[in-house]
Amino acid sequence: KNEVEQSPQNLTAQEGEFITINCSYSVGISALHWLQQHPGGGIVSLFMLSSGKKKHGRLIATINIQEKHSSLHITASHPRDSAVYICAVRSLYGGSQGNLIFGKGTKLSVKP
Amino acid sequence: ETGVTQSPTHLIKTRGQQVTLRCSSQSGHNTVSWYQQALGQGPQFIFQYYREEENGRGNFPPRFSGLQFPNYSSELNVNALELDDSALYLCASSLEIASYEQYFGPGTRLTVT
Repeated sequence: KNEVEQSPQNLTAQEGEFITINCSYSVGISALHWLQQHPGGGIVSLFMLSSGKKKHGRLIATINIQEKHSSLHITASHPRDSAVYICAVRSLYGGSQGNLIFGKGTKLSVKP
Repeated sequence: ETGVTQSPTHLIKTRGQQVTLRCSSQSGHNTVSWYQQALGQGPQFIFQYYREEENGRGNFPPRFSGLQFPNYSSELNVNALELDDSALYLCASSLEIASYEQYFGPGTRLTVT
């Protein structure tokens, strides 16, 4: 079982829809990241969370430390939101303080 | 733009060959991490360098090695390439080891034939 699980794996939405991507993890963490990866590979950091909720434009990220669960929401989705969204956690333990453990990603496609 | 660059963008090598991938971190970032991302998978941690010393390693064999230089650049070297080494290789830099924010480069796509 992976330490970081995301759902769904693939998501197709119509422009304007509200989108939720979920992330569950099984290790103790110091922080959780939501990342966006466009075709071609480059990764952009969207949020870093250790508690509560953060909002940036149409994106909202929440985390529940007790339940080891985080969600990424996109309001009023747009075709340019089409990308792979990756959840990554920074484990409290392990060989390197800088080590991120990644989920497999959720591929989002927003149709016009 | 994260200020982190990688070269080359794409690379094709033959099984058994050796390859060097390069990363240029943001100025002042003392820590660089390297990740391997196979097709359809999330990135996997290879190793991290801090102030030119290896500071942690994932589950990768010794034929994966690295270097970090004082000018905030770094290298990932892979010897005796195998077909399964075909992947996107990402580097990410951060200010210090304990800095939570990592800035990713665009990646190098390596194909081993």
